Amino acid sequence: AQRVTQPEKLLSVFKGAPVELKCNYSYSGSPELFWYVQYSRQRLQLLLRHISRESIKGFTADLNKGETSFHLKKPFAQEEDSAMYYCALSGHKTGANNLFFGTGTRLTVIP
Amino acid sequence: DADVTQTPRNRITKTGKRIMLECSQTKGHDRMYWYRQDPGLGLRLIYYSFDVKDINKGEISDGYSVSRQAQAKFSLSLESAIPNQTALYFCATSERNLGPPRGQYFGPGTRLLVL
Repeated sequence: AQRVTQPEKLLSVFKGAPVELKCNYSYSGSPELFWYVQYSRQRLQLLLRHISRESIKGFTADLNKGETSFHLKKPFAQEEDSAMYYCALSGHKTGANNLFFGTGTRLTVIP
Repeated sequence: DADVTQTPRNRITKTGKRIMLECSQTKGHDRMYWYRQDPGLGLRLIYYSFDVKDINKGEISDGYSVSRQAQAKFSLSLESAIPNQTALYFCATSERNLGPPRGQYFGPGTRLLVL
């Protein structure tokens, strides 16, 4: 069965420091991986997709199939990055377009 | 702007009551989803619908039912609410595409408290 693991429930970093939010997955196939972000009092929104190989708001994430990881990284954290971050997986075994979410990591950037 | 809306935004009800949460979208997407979010558990899929005539159970469908009244509307019902259904409920949509999934668009959420 598919599984998405975000080992850190809480992560605090100082402004300007690098940040890495970990995500590991288990899936017997070719998954599509996503990062979603939920800012305070706002709805969940898509941050980035691995298939796009894009950088959004300074964040990047590389799919490492050998380590089954999709860690989210930013070299210099900003206060406005404080939010809840969810890693999610999609694939034919989850039902086309269906997402399977990790439990989330709350990032706090300390001024 | 095309959007996903949910009503009500907050609801308090009593054990045993029937309630309905509604979701509407103007994004023109075929696919709609209902999730619940619980602290420490993330989001879990309750039901999903790929078009008006297609309804599917998700990971945690027991105690819930849905209705896809139109392409733009997808309602979630709790036939007899119980306290452990207290949660934040999200509706989401996605477009149909043959290629890799492009992600889902979420509504603002409905906070439900069952006493």
